[in-house]
Amino acid sequence: GAGVSQSPSNKVTEKGKDVELRCDPISGHTALYWYRQSLGQGLEFLIYFQGNSAPDKSGLPSDRFSAERTGGSVSTLTIQRTQQEDSAVYLCASSLWALLAGGYEQYFGPGTRLTVT
Amino acid sequence: GENVEQHPSTLSVQEGDSAVIKCTYSDSASNYFPWYKQELGKRPQLIIDIRSNVGEKKDQRIAVTLNKTAKHFSLHITETQPEDSAVYFCAARNTDKLIFGTGTRLQVFP
Repeated sequence: GAGVSQSPSNKVTEKGKDVELRCDPISGHTALYWYRQSLGQGLEFLIYFQGNSAPDKSGLPSDRFSAERTGGSVSTLTIQRTQQEDSAVYLCASSLWALLAGGYEQYFGPGTRLTVT
Repeated sequence: GENVEQHPSTLSVQEGDSAVIKCTYSDSASNYFPWYKQELGKRPQLIIDIRSNVGEKKDQRIAVTLNKTAKHFSLHITETQPEDSAVYFCAARNTDKLIFGTGTRLQVFP
């Protein structure tokens, strides 16, 4: 079946502009995560959605970052007034219900490479 | 919150040798510990995971051990091959999300 997809694959934007990144999770996966990976760095947690519950936004680095998930499926990560330090690969992942004991595998999308000039 | 530390940051081994990557975590409530492999330019993929009720798990050339008392877990790769070259990330599940280590770049030289 189809895996996690993300669009666009690459995005170049000017400093100060807003960008929207899209994630399509695997069908039936109720948990969705956004991560940021700077060049040569680890995976920085940004935000987590589980079903209809309020999202866990504890990883968002500033109020310029926001995300929504419509209909429990597609998610959009929005970065307003982009800065050069926002340049990174933004990865989305989905999994089955995360609250079950032990957790489930997170399947990652291919990422969106964002470059802010 | 949970904090995961991973060592070493880089590791070079000769083909056929073993490689060991170690991680420590801070929250004793964490109960799930996956390892992801990320090849250059590709997405992270799960290679093995372990739950807190198990001390060791093996899958062919890959094994993971968990010491809950010491709050550390390790990835062991035996008989390394050039295709094992990648960045490896450990993670610990805290509440509903994974906290990742900073990664280990493994290079296997033929």
